[in-house]
Amino acid sequence: EVQLVESGGGLVQPGGSLRLSCAASGFTFSTYWMHWVRQSPGEGLVWVSRVSPDGSDTTYADSVKGRFTISRDNTENTLYLQMNSLIAEDTAVYFCTRDMWGTSDYWGQGALVSVS
Amino acid sequence: DIVMTQSPDSLAVSLGERATITCKSSQAILHNSKNKNCLAWYQQKPGQPPKLLISWASTRESGVPDRFSGSGSGTDFTLTINSLQAEDMAVYYCQQHYTIPLTFGQGTRLEIE
Repeated sequence: EVQLVESGGGLVQPGGSLRLSCAASGFTFSTYWMHWVRQSPGEGLVWVSRVSPDGSDTTYADSVKGRFTISRDNTENTLYLQMNSLIAEDTAVYFCTRDMWGTSDYWGQGALVSVS
Repeated sequence: DIVMTQSPDSLAVSLGERATITCKSSQAILHNSKNKNCLAWYQQKPGQPPKLLISWASTRESGVPDRFSGSGSGTDFTLTINSLQAEDMAVYYCQQHYTIPLTFGQGTRLEIE
């Protein structure tokens, strides 16, 4: 069974940093692109970032470029999102998702990040 | 960026009836080599992550009831839910999976009338 479990969310002051983790299991993690998608309270879904299976290729939404860094550890089956210079607009639930041709076929339960 | 626009924003349908949600992309999202449109539909229930229902505009994911169907081409797409059940109450999102940045529609809230 595919499982994605996010951790590392919390309350942080503006300008602060936070690192999210996503522990993957039930599939061969090292062969899949992975994404982070966020959802602000009561709002819609916004794609944040993606990383290639070997971690060498990363892409970001303009809103987080230069502040967020996506990475992965294929030996630990874990996806990361390092978030720096956080602003109020980054407040959201952050979902880790598995890529399937650009769709997200599996989602974690999400990690809440509050910037205040 | 490709803008995805859904309509309506909310919809109330009686149990057993049909619900129709439309999604329009700001440009064509046809995957040339597959000759398929890169359009996905997700269902999100309160307190849960989204669930992928349909990809490639009309391909249902494994385990998704066949009362859910997707159609469309070019820039206009439709999600149809036949014989609406109480458990179908949710917010539905379309997403283009054609190019980065991946973009979603604003969502359509489906309520039971």
